[in-house]
Amino acid sequence: DAGVIQSPRHEVTEMGQEVTLRCKPISGHNSLFWYRQTMMRGLELLIYFNNNVPIDDSGMPEDRFSAKMPNASFSTLKIQPSEPRDSAVYFCASSPLRVQGFETQYFGPGTRLLVL
Amino acid sequence: AQTVTQSQPEMSVQEAETVTLSCTYDTSESDYYLFWYKQPPSRQMILVIRQEAYKQQNATENRFSVNFQKAAKSFSLKISDSQLGDAAMYFCAYQQGGSEKLVFGKGMKLTVNP
Repeated sequence: DAGVIQSPRHEVTEMGQEVTLRCKPISGHNSLFWYRQTMMRGLELLIYFNNNVPIDDSGMPEDRFSAKMPNASFSTLKIQPSEPRDSAVYFCASSPLRVQGFETQYFGPGTRLLVL
Repeated sequence: AQTVTQSQPEMSVQEAETVTLSCTYDTSESDYYLFWYKQPPSRQMILVIRQEAYKQQNATENRFSVNFQKAAKSFSLKISDSQLGDAAMYFCAYQQGGSEKLVFGKGMKLTVNP
């Protein structure tokens, strides 16, 4: 089975430009998560969706960040305008919908973003 | 808010030896789950092992086992017969019962020496 797919794997852009990161979750998974990893702050949850609906976006740093999930097999994380401090590795993860207990999150390979 | 602390930023171990990675967490909840994830140089986050707080028995997965001390809020990972492929960043993570949110520690870099 294909795992979580993220694109692009690397992105270099200039400050002020729009950046769009893409994620395809594992088929059949109904929960999708976006994380950001930096040296200073470690791995942080930005937002997550259940059944394509955003549930918690309290981790989104500011209005420059937005995320969408138009269907069960695709999500985007957009930064507009981008700033150098947005440079990080962005991970997408998916899991089966949690009914009770917990469900393991499976991570994609990440997108390394560098904003110059 | 729950926090996860990995106090050792780096460790090293000789191949075939055993190493223990420490993790402590802070929570007032009784229902939660704990995880260890591995991040090799490829950056992929890979689940190593997980533990339900209500289970007294420590989880094991082949060469990986945990020492879960609920009262002490400690969740250490033991790697037996260390292999070169175990070299990676290791992250401890906490998930509160009833929530999908994972809270990660800052990670620890493990080096395996041949």
